Amino acid sequence: EDQVTQSPEALRLQEGESSSLNCSYTVSGLRGLFWYRQDPGKGPEFLFTLYSAGEEKEKERLKATLTKKESFLHITAPKPEDSATYLCAVRLSGGYQKVTFGTGTKLQVIP
Amino acid sequence: GAVVSQHPSRVICKSGTSVKIECRSLDFQATTMFWYRQFPKQSLMLMATSNEGSKATYEQGVEKDKFLINHASLTLSTLTVTSAHPEDSSFYICSARDRDPNFSKQYFGPGTRLTVT
Repeated sequence: EDQVTQSPEALRLQEGESSSLNCSYTVSGLRGLFWYRQDPGKGPEFLFTLYSAGEEKEKERLKATLTKKESFLHITAPKPEDSATYLCAVRLSGGYQKVTFGTGTKLQVIP
Repeated sequence: GAVVSQHPSRVICKSGTSVKIECRSLDFQATTMFWYRQFPKQSLMLMATSNEGSKATYEQGVEKDKFLINHASLTLSTLTVTSAHPEDSSFYICSARDRDPNFSKQYFGPGTRLTVT
């Protein structure tokens, strides 16, 4: 069964304390891994798409990496405004367009 | 970036009534739209996928007669919750994909909070 698991469920960081969020997947035929940020009561906001192992993408304090089994979202020197739930999702190969989401990591950055 | 809107943002209805939620892509043509529901502290669960001009594809366990989806144009999809019950109370989010064959991005709306009393 295809699965997407995110860890930790929740993470509390001091401002400036760098860390990483993990998204591991057991799927066959990955056709894209996506990272989103979701603020309370709002829809997810697109961050990155990764397609193949070894690929990296960066945006401000965020950097996403991908291996054959997992993806990491590295947060460098986080600020309180980075507090949100971070979701990863995978799209599988085949004709179907379904994207499966993980349960998310709730990040809290304390000033 | 691409913008997807939803209306209404919040709705409260009585049990047994129907509610329609609109999802619009504002600055691009969405060949495919997706409807998700999200319960508190849980992730997004795909309900159905709709392609413009064709019938929606529902996920297993989602009642197609209860959750009516219409994707009448390249910029509008609607979800109608028929005969709503309190257990249908949830956060409903739509997303839209443009014509990019590589499926590089899926843009999400801001969500609709449905409360059935």
